[in-house]
Amino acid sequence: DAGVIQSPRHEVTEMGQEVTLRCKPISGHNSLFWYRQTMMRGLELLIYFNNNVPIDDSGMPEDRFSAKMPNASFSTLKIQPSEPRDSAVYFCASSRDNYSNQPQHFGDGTRLSIL
Amino acid sequence: AQSVTQLDSQVPVFEEAPVELRCNYSSSVSVYLFWYVQYPNQGLQLLLKYLSGSTLVKGINGFEAEFNKSQTSFHLRKPSVHISDTAEYFCAVSDPSGGSNYKLTFGKGTLLTVNP
Repeated sequence: DAGVIQSPRHEVTEMGQEVTLRCKPISGHNSLFWYRQTMMRGLELLIYFNNNVPIDDSGMPEDRFSAKMPNASFSTLKIQPSEPRDSAVYFCASSRDNYSNQPQHFGDGTRLSIL
Repeated sequence: AQSVTQLDSQVPVFEEAPVELRCNYSSSVSVYLFWYVQYPNQGLQLLLKYLSGSTLVKGINGFEAEFNKSQTSFHLRKPSVHISDTAEYFCAVSDPSGGSNYKLTFGKGTLLTVNP
């Protein structure tokens, strides 16, 4: 079975540009998570969707960040305008349901560098 | 809020030696506990989880962990490591009783380096 698929794997862009990260969760999973990983702060949950609905976006750092899930098989995380401090690895994860005993399955991440 | 402390940021060991990666959590209520592994340039993969029952949990790749409620610890162990175990290991906790039961709180990670 295919795992969580993220694209692009790497993104390098200049400050001020719009960045869109994409995620395809595992088929049949109805919970989707976006995380950011940095050396300083570790893994941070940005936003959580359940059945395509944003449930918890308290981790979204600023209004420059937005996330959507138009259907069960696709989600985007957008940064506009991007800043150098947004440089990080962004992970998407999915799980079968919203119970905490279900493991989260992670994609391979998007390594974002803002110059 | 819950917190997870991984006491060692880096653990170097020689191949075939035993290893223990330490994890302590702050919650005093019932928790679910997880260990994830991250290989270079990859996402996190679940190694093992503790939900209830036996305090000794066995996972993939020969790893096991022991839940100690009195010590609020969930240390990860392997009796004999291989070069291929070189990776970063993350301990995580969730609270099944709260409204945010979906939320995983991760530790900062422990980089395990296995040397020949």
